[in-house]
Amino acid sequence: QKEVEQNSGPLSVPEGAIASLNCTYSDRGSQSFFWYRQYSGKSPELIMSIYSNGDKEDGRFTAQLNKASQYVSLLIRDSQPSDSATYLCAVHPNYGGSQGNLIFGKGTKLSVKP
Amino acid sequence: DAGVIQSPRHEVTEMGQEVTLRCKPISGHDYLFWYRQTMMRGLELLIYFNNNVPIDDSGMPEDRFSAKMPNASFSTLKIQPSEPRDSAVYFCASSLRGEALAKNIQYFGAGTRLSVL
Repeated sequence: QKEVEQNSGPLSVPEGAIASLNCTYSDRGSQSFFWYRQYSGKSPELIMSIYSNGDKEDGRFTAQLNKASQYVSLLIRDSQPSDSATYLCAVHPNYGGSQGNLIFGKGTKLSVKP
Repeated sequence: DAGVIQSPRHEVTEMGQEVTLRCKPISGHDYLFWYRQTMMRGLELLIYFNNNVPIDDSGMPEDRFSAKMPNASFSTLKIQPSEPRDSAVYFCASSLRGEALAKNIQYFGAGTRLSVL
């Protein structure tokens, strides 16, 4: 069973701080990794994708990937109350038949306090 | 592009009734996914299609659930008969498999909130 694990939180940070969200996955052969943000009552929206080891930065967001440790993280700098949401980690597994599906973690709820 | 369109947005029905959820993927996308989301189980993949062909339906909970994709622009998820434990938010998503390493970026519809009384 391919799994993606996240701390459910809630993770509470003060406005302006760095929020750090973590994710581990079980399929060592996974190649593609994604972070989705989901506001309460809304659908998931993609905020970051990463395919290679290292860091990928996009504005206030940085995704970090360590395939050897099977670990993905998302850093949000200068956190804003509008960042308060549930963050879903998703992984494209690498096994026979997995042509396009993603395995999602259950999400980490982030709360940014003004 | 209008994005992934789902209907209805909300559905309230009584136990035993048939429920049909609808999805229109993004034009040109070749993958379509049906998910169910609950607080307890998170986002679960039910079934997905590639070029209108079902590829993996191992996530469909039982025979009461069925899904079809008669053409590239339309899919349905049917529950018959519905039960209270089917109450959840059902999402449809679509993607276009990129030529580069498994881009697999999925775009989600707004979801259908189903309540079975």
